[in-house]
Amino acid sequence: EADIYQTPRYLVIGTGKKITLECSQTMGHDKMYWYQQDPGMELHLIHYSYGVNSTEKGDLSSESTVSRIRTEHFPLTLESARPSHTSQYLCASSDSDREFHYGYTFGSGTRLTVV
Amino acid sequence: DQQVKQNSPSLSVQEGRISILNCDYTNSMFDYFLWYKKYPAEGPTFLISISSIKDKNEDGRFTVFLNKSAKHLSLHIVPSQPGDSAVYFCAPIDVSARQLTFGSGTQLTVLP
Repeated sequence: EADIYQTPRYLVIGTGKKITLECSQTMGHDKMYWYQQDPGMELHLIHYSYGVNSTEKGDLSSESTVSRIRTEHFPLTLESARPSHTSQYLCASSDSDREFHYGYTFGSGTRLTVV
Repeated sequence: DQQVKQNSPSLSVQEGRISILNCDYTNSMFDYFLWYKKYPAEGPTFLISISSIKDKNEDGRFTVFLNKSAKHLSLHIVPSQPGDSAVYFCAPIDVSARQLTFGSGTQLTVLP
């Protein structure tokens, strides 16, 4: 039973389009993250948030932007999609008090293909 | 600069036998070590963790061993089952940065 939801699961979109990947969690976690993963590669952190109105860029440079207006919602936006943005995008959340023992909870991911 | 290395991209094991997945790290600030399992087209799911003050943690068929002096940890799965076939990621936490760092993963295939 998923407590963190990502939509859409799959998206094929044309170059230059604006897209928003949705991520919501019902666990009341204070922290949320976006990771990008290409097949057979590591997960790379592209954005994170430690609370409402707090967002930071991760280790991997990304042209995407995020917002955290509500605790449970952490959408990711690409203003102008390019083929180089084709990847899997994974959203995660964590509870500051438990993350050392239980880590992050991940959503099912969005597989984005830009043609 | 890879702080977490999983040098075996793939591993095949017969059902019922032991699977051993290895992970090496370089960052001495890592204080907790987590293992995640990932099926295709799904997000990673948490498996087991170990604190740096321990050298072993067990949960059912899964045991994680930590050798801090060698900066090495391993995940043992006994007995292995076909449903264990997935990609396994080692993910240490730097307590000061409070962020997970993921290895590149090992694809485990358990043959029936």
